[in-house]
Amino acid sequence: QVQLLQSGAEVKEPGASVKVSCKASGYTFTTSAIHWVRQAPGQRPEWMGWISTDLGNTRYSQKFQGRVTIARDTSASTAHLELSSLRSEDTAVYYCARDRKDVLTGSYYFDYWGQGTLVTVSS
Amino acid sequence: EIVMTQSPATLSVSPGERATLSCRASQSVSTNVAWYQQKPGQAPRLLIYGASTRATGIPARFSGSGSGTEFTLTITSLQSEDFAVYYCQQYSTWPPEEAFGPGTKVDIK
Repeated sequence: QVQLLQSGAEVKEPGASVKVSCKASGYTFTTSAIHWVRQAPGQRPEWMGWISTDLGNTRYSQKFQGRVTIARDTSASTAHLELSSLRSEDTAVYYCARDRKDVLTGSYYFDYWGQGTLVTVSS
Repeated sequence: EIVMTQSPATLSVSPGERATLSCRASQSVSTNVAWYQQKPGQAPRLLIYGASTRATGIPARFSGSGSGTEFTLTITSLQSEDFAVYYCQQYSTWPPEEAFGPGTKVDIK
């Protein structure tokens, strides 16, 4: 079965960086892109960026441009999210999600999600 | 930018009753809408994609409808495990920034 297993919770000070990993299993890693989505307490999910796991192409939300880096290690079937210059507003649960093509429209939705990684930014 | 709205914000329903949740897009997204269920402390779970297709393993009491700008998620005969927050998401535009609605919380009446 498809699983996305994320790394554990992190506590960081303002100005620091955090790296979150997402290990995929149950399917061929390079056949589906991985997205990163975060969710602040009581808020809706917010898309941060995407990586094509075959070619390594990336695209980031304008909101996080310059602070976010998404990478992948195909040998380990793992995607990574790094967010720098952390501030208190970055306190949230960070999710990886796999995308899947809607065969009728050609667009992509998220079919499987990781369990989430809580990142707390506090001095 | 397409803005997604959902109504109501909170829906109080008794177990065994029907729940009807609405989602609206500020412009047409065809049938590029997914619905997710989220319980406290858990990741969102895909229920519906293509506005009306149930994802693998989703019970038949969940159904989706709509196209263009108006979408509905219906849960017939609510079970205890269905009390959660439900989000709609449009995936018509790339990249999927601001793609999620604000959510509808279904709680016990």
